[in-house]
Amino acid sequence: EAQVTQNPRYLITVTGKKLTVTCSQNMNHEYMSWYRQDPGLGLRQIYYSMNVEVTDKGDVPEGYKVSRKEKRNFPLILESPSPNQTSLYFCASSSAVTQYFGPGTRLTVL
Amino acid sequence: GESVGLHLPTLSVQEGDNSIINCAYSNSASDYFIWYKQESGKGPQFIIDIRSNMDKRQGQRVTVLLNKTVKHLSLQIAATQPGDSAVYFCAERVGNNRKLIWGLGTSLAVNP
Repeated sequence: EAQVTQNPRYLITVTGKKLTVTCSQNMNHEYMSWYRQDPGLGLRQIYYSMNVEVTDKGDVPEGYKVSRKEKRNFPLILESPSPNQTSLYFCASSSAVTQYFGPGTRLTVL
Repeated sequence: GESVGLHLPTLSVQEGDNSIINCAYSNSASDYFIWYKQESGKGPQFIIDIRSNMDKRQGQRVTVLLNKTVKHLSLQIAATQPGDSAVYFCAERVGNNRKLIWGLGTSLAVNP
């Protein structure tokens, strides 16, 4: 089944404790992206990647890092999480314009 | 399930009625538009798309209308069903890249 997977689905952590949210797609898509979704603010792009080893900042990249060592994986790294990074995170991938989304990761930073 | 937004515009319809969800887009240079559906606890799911050289496109029970003169996009859902209850987002592409500009969403509630 063609899909985008994310792990973990839910995470509660404390300020400053480094964490990684993994994203994997099995559709051989070149483009991958991370979004955060907050009430009243909609979907905001954090980082995106046009292909392996090619990443770029989206609209809200502060406090996040990404890497793209393989085509299928695009992990989101929070080196020192803060409470304002409490949010619902989505990974997406595409081969053209239409993006296909993962199920989401609910992150709470205490 | 997860709440994806507070104070979203809400459309409430009776089961079996037709629904129309509207979206005003921002950029006259946008050339591609997509509608997504997000059910509670899930990621956005592609519904239908339309290019700027078209004014109407139909899918299964859904129709998208594009009015470039007033920069307006609408999604029509025929014979709305309880499973259509979700938040609906429009997205637009500006320029020849993959970046999408997202609307804030409309919540559709279907009453049985």
